Amino acid sequence: KAGVTQTPRYLIKTRGQQVTLSCSPISGHRSVSWYQQTPGQGLQFLFEYFSETQRNKGNFPGRFSGRQFSNSRSEMNVSTLELGDSALYLCASSVIGRNQETQYFGPGTRLLVL
Amino acid sequence: AQKITQTQPGMFVQEKEAVTLDCTYDTSDPSYGLFWYKQPSSGEMIFLIYQGSYDQQNATEGRYSLNFQKARKSANLVISASQLGDSAMYFCAMRVMNYGGSQGNLIFGKGTKLSVKP
Repeated sequence: KAGVTQTPRYLIKTRGQQVTLSCSPISGHRSVSWYQQTPGQGLQFLFEYFSETQRNKGNFPGRFSGRQFSNSRSEMNVSTLELGDSALYLCASSVIGRNQETQYFGPGTRLLVL
Repeated sequence: AQKITQTQPGMFVQEKEAVTLDCTYDTSDPSYGLFWYKQPSSGEMIFLIYQGSYDQQNATEGRYSLNFQKARKSANLVISASQLGDSAMYFCAMRVMNYGGSQGNLIFGKGTKLSVKP
């Protein structure tokens, strides 16, 4: 089975712009979660989608949004980029997202905001 | 509050020796999952091993084993026969049911940077 894929792998944007990141989960996985990783804050949960519905949300401003399509692929969008949004954005998928179920991660998208 | 604590920011180990990476967790939920991930410099999070809160035996996966001490709320990762390719960041994580009844997200520790010396 192919693993979780994320596109693009690297991205450079300027302040005020918006960005869309894409994640394709492992085939058959219906739960997709997004995490932000920075040197200062570590790994922080953004949101989780299951069957096209946001099921869980972390403590991030409304500039961060996401969606999931009927084929379980997910996108996250960040509007009005700030310097502090520079981070590694990781997507993870699991079958249905139960708490004792392993999440498998993609390679991440490195976003640099100038 | 739910929390994962990894007290070792960095560790060194000689190639072919065993090493233990510490992890303690805090939750009042009786049902939870504990995970260890490896993150090389490339950035990808690689799943290593899983331990369920109701599992009676410690989990093992090849050279990885998880020393699960429920009463002490610890879930240490043991890597046997270290290899140069084991040099990476290692994260302990936990997932519990949300108070609202929905499935929770992964909560990560700060990580331990392991360096394997030849």
